[in-house]
Amino acid sequence: GQSLEQPSEVTAVEGAIVQINCTYQTSGFYGLSWYQQHDGGAPTFLSYNGLDGLEETGRFSSFLSRSDSYGYLLLQELQMKDSASYFCAVSDNYGQNFVFGPGTRLSVLP
Amino acid sequence: ETGVTQTPRHLVMGMTNKKSLKCEQHLGHNAMYWYKQSAKKPLELMFVYSLEERVENNSVPSRFSPECPNSSHLFLHLHTLQPEDSALYLCASSQSTSSSGANVLTFGAGSRLTVL
Repeated sequence: GQSLEQPSEVTAVEGAIVQINCTYQTSGFYGLSWYQQHDGGAPTFLSYNGLDGLEETGRFSSFLSRSDSYGYLLLQELQMKDSASYFCAVSDNYGQNFVFGPGTRLSVLP
Repeated sequence: ETGVTQTPRHLVMGMTNKKSLKCEQHLGHNAMYWYKQSAKKPLELMFVYSLEERVENNSVPSRFSPECPNSSHLFLHLHTLQPEDSALYLCASSQSTSSSGANVLTFGAGSRLTVL
């Protein structure tokens, strides 16, 4: 089977740096992606790290260890608007099968 | 506005009704996806279309029927649904399923479905 694990909740203060972890067990691996979703909104792409390269946006960066089946998303200079759910996703081929993690709820405190 | 538009945003239907969800993308992408998002569960991939041909069907019950008439439009036809099918249905698109453009999914805001 395929499974991804993330912490269910993370809390941090404004201006801080926070790391959201993701471990995965999948039959194949091509890349690890991260998405942000605000309540009632669409998931939006943040970062991709995989066999064919790296893409990152804004204050979001990512790390990947294929040998450990582990990755994390790093958010710097936290802002209140960063309070949202964050999902990691593993693709086992050219985007034909993204498997998503359960999501991490990030709360940013003033 | 993400460039992927879903309608309706909210839908309430009985178990005997037939309804359809619509997705339209204005990004020039060649691949489109349906995902299901239930409370306390990860996003579940339902269907993938690449260049209007279905390339993935993740063992979805036949009461869900997708249709992709062209690369910009995707439908999910619903009939004889069950209360456990109540969820947020998300449409997404990517540049293709055979290049690095497939690494980025652009999602719509979703259609919130309630089955009574």
